[in-house]
Amino acid sequence: KAGVTQTPRYLIKTRGQQVTLSCSPISGHRSVSWYQQTPGQGLQFLFEYFSETQRNKGNFPGRFSGRQFSNSRSEMNVSTLELGDSALYLCASSLGAGLETQYFGPGTRLLVL
Amino acid sequence: AQRVTQPEKLLSVFKGAPVELKCNYSYSGSPELFWYVQYSRQRLQLLLRHISRESIKGFTADLNKGETSFHLKKPFAQEEDSAMYYCALLSGAGSYQLTFGKGTKLSVIP
Repeated sequence: KAGVTQTPRYLIKTRGQQVTLSCSPISGHRSVSWYQQTPGQGLQFLFEYFSETQRNKGNFPGRFSGRQFSNSRSEMNVSTLELGDSALYLCASSLGAGLETQYFGPGTRLLVL
Repeated sequence: AQRVTQPEKLLSVFKGAPVELKCNYSYSGSPELFWYVQYSRQRLQLLLRHISRESIKGFTADLNKGETSFHLKKPFAQEEDSAMYYCALLSGAGSYQLTFGKGTKLSVIP
């Protein structure tokens, strides 16, 4: 099976802009989770989607949002970008029925100038 | 709230020496614990999960509920083991999120 894919791999934006990141899960996986990775804070949970519904949300401001489509692909959006949003954004997928292993994509590296 | 602590940011060992990467957790329920590894320029990948009780690449980890620990061990380190290692806890009860430790960078000296 193909692994989790994320596009784009790299992005450069300026403060105040918005950005949309995309994630395609492993075929058959219905749960998609998003994480932010920074040198200072490490890996932090953003949100998780299952069957087009957000099941859980981490402690991030409302500028961070996401959605999931009927084919389980997911997007996350960050509006009004701040310098501190510069990070590696990771997407992970799992079957979604319970406490299964999450498999990670390569990430999208976002730089905000 | 759950918490995962990896006390060592960097661990250097000589090739052939034993390795132990420490992980302690705080969680009120029954934990599902994982070790993920990130090699240079590669994606985060699963190394092992406590429930499977498998040995992957010679690594093992035992869940000690009394000490709330899930330390990763390998008897003889190899140069290819050099990487970032993350301990993670998966919380359930409708909240399927991974809580990660800050990671330990393992450097195996030839």
